[in-house]
Amino acid sequence: KAGVTQTPRYLIKTRGQQVTLSCSPISGHRSVSWYQQTPGQGLQFLFEYFSETQRNKGNFPGRFSGRQFSNSRSEMNVSTLELGDSALYLCASSLAPGQGNNSPLHFGNGTRLTVT
Amino acid sequence: QQPVQSPQAVILREGEDAVINCSSSKALYSVHWYRQKHGEAPVFLMILLKGGEQKGHEKISASFNEKKQQSSLYLTASQLSYSGTYFCGTVSSGSNYQLIWGAGTKLIIKP
Repeated sequence: KAGVTQTPRYLIKTRGQQVTLSCSPISGHRSVSWYQQTPGQGLQFLFEYFSETQRNKGNFPGRFSGRQFSNSRSEMNVSTLELGDSALYLCASSLAPGQGNNSPLHFGNGTRLTVT
Repeated sequence: QQPVQSPQAVILREGEDAVINCSSSKALYSVHWYRQKHGEAPVFLMILLKGGEQKGHEKISASFNEKKQQSSLYLTASQLSYSGTYFCGTVSSGSNYQLIWGAGTKLIIKP
């Protein structure tokens, strides 16, 4: 069974630009959640989608948005990039809705975004 | 509120034991443990539900003290492969399964 696939792996953007990251969950998983990880900050929750609906959202500005398609693939978009957006962006999929349900999260290898 | 993990970092010799704690100020429904090796994705270790159930994964086990709202991860006879950052995530009762992550504990195992 293929794991969670995130593309691209690396991305370099300039301040003010926008970026779209993609996540393909494990086959059969309908829940996808997104996280921002920076050194020393742990995992900061961005949002969670289940069956194309945003189920939960973290404390990030409106520049961060996402969506989920009918095949459960998800994208996140960051507009008007700032230097502070440089981070590793991870997505995780699971069988059931709710990151904290009794179903393990399966993480992708992430997209490392560098904003210059 | 983010759960508090302690210690922040620990260095061990291969074969030594370690305990990582995760404490919350809220009543907990469950505690989740993940390990992330350098440059890799976090990997699921175990989920503990309220009820004080202890679980194990290889020589790694964990307990959940519901009254203290605390979970402890025990690494016995540590191996080099145990190196990485360990994250706990907590789910509070009535939180709609919202998982709140701790800041992580960095574990370094030396030969």
